[in-house]
Amino acid sequence: QSVLTQPPSASGTPGQRVTISCSGSSSNIGSNYVYWYQQLPGTAPKLLIYRNNQRPSGVPDRFSGSKSGTSASLAISGLRSEDEADYYCAAWDDSLSGGVFGGGTKLTVL
Amino acid sequence: QVTLKESGPVLVKPTETLTLTCTVSGFSLSNARMGVSWIRQPPGKALEWLAHIFSNDEKSYSTSLKSRLTISKDTSKSQVVLTMTNMDPVDTATYYCARTGPEVTFIDYWGQGTLVTVSS
Repeated sequence: QSVLTQPPSASGTPGQRVTISCSGSSSNIGSNYVYWYQQLPGTAPKLLIYRNNQRPSGVPDRFSGSKSGTSASLAISGLRSEDEADYYCAAWDDSLSGGVFGGGTKLTVL
Repeated sequence: QVTLKESGPVLVKPTETLTLTCTVSGFSLSNARMGVSWIRQPPGKALEWLAHIFSNDEKSYSTSLKSRLTISKDTSKSQVVLTMTNMDPVDTATYYCARTGPEVTFIDYWGQGTLVTVSS
């Protein structure tokens, strides 16, 4: 059971906007930055969003992150077939004194 | 460019100790506000953060695995080593090392990962 809770799956059609949620608590999301990672099949994860809503260079602006209270969301607009991947949220947890990941969301582009 | 590469055994027996080495290039383990994390992923399952070491040698561990883990670094060799004792089949996973920024979960570069199977 992951400390951060994500829906196991999400889906959308090309061009659509989808959002993936990540729910935590006051000791993690509520008091620390949230990070999002994209993992394409058979590859290592890749940083998608850092410090709640910042995009590394090279990440399309179709990807955006937000945080409110103890929850965070990743939004993907203009969905493309190459966005089909697993998405993970992560944060530092003050109570555990360690990093925590969500259980991951498998995004399917229909 | 920044690269990280994991190395170690592909197969370990139950109760044995696993030792994994992460060799980095393109940055120094003494760079301020940077560190290296170890993360694992059992087949078909989610990522799990294991341990982290900062440039100043500050260390942190997963609470659930703390008694079994040790992380260390050799700056001169550009290597970070993770040991995990008393291995069990449930520890079968791909183990990744990754570079972090000032926050432990700010992971900007990942190694390719190494699959470790625990079986007798």
